[in-house]
Amino acid sequence: AQSVAQPEDQVNVAEGNPLTVKCTYSVSGNPYLFWYVQYPNRGLQFLLKYITGDNLVKGSYGFEAEFNKSQTSFHLKKPSALVSDSALYFCAVRLPFAGGYNKLIFGAGTRLAVHP
Amino acid sequence: EAGVAQSPRYKIIEKRQSVAFWCNPISGHATLYWYQQILGQGPKLLIQFQNNGVVDDSQLPKDRFSAERLKGVDSTLKIQPAKLEDSAVYLCASSLQGEDNQPQHFGDGTRLSIL
Repeated sequence: AQSVAQPEDQVNVAEGNPLTVKCTYSVSGNPYLFWYVQYPNRGLQFLLKYITGDNLVKGSYGFEAEFNKSQTSFHLKKPSALVSDSALYFCAVRLPFAGGYNKLIFGAGTRLAVHP
Repeated sequence: EAGVAQSPRYKIIEKRQSVAFWCNPISGHATLYWYQQILGQGPKLLIQFQNNGVVDDSQLPKDRFSAERLKGVDSTLKIQPAKLEDSAVYLCASSLQGEDNQPQHFGDGTRLSIL
């Protein structure tokens, strides 16, 4: 079955330290990969995507993600965490759908807590 | 540009009652999605429209859920009758085209509580 896994329910990091939020996927073919962030009582906001090309993708708010095909991973990173980065982060993969239209499969989410 | 608008933001009903949610996508976005997000889980796609046609409703519980997008713009999602397990946040999203690698833009959702 095609799926996305976020192995950590929560990640704790001190402000100013680097952060990593992990994501692995299990899909056939070459997936499109996305990261979204969700603040309390808000919808999801797009951070970045990997389609093809350079394995290191840069996105909004200083976030970046590294695509690793051999490890089927797409970990989210930031060199220096801010308290305002505290939120729920979702990894998602876009699958082909019969008829040509694609849909997103989301991981369960990882709560990032950045402490002052 | 204005974002995806959803209403109401919150709804509390008793089981077996009916409820409807409304979504207005970003202007010009042909593709509209409804997701169900249960507490502690990622969003799950319920239905996807391309203009006013359904392209994926494989995970929509059709015995109680229905959705329409009559003029290819606004959309409504209805639950009738509601069950306790329908308690969730219902998110609407839109994108320029379903086939492109364009990101989906989400509304703030409707939080539904079933008593």
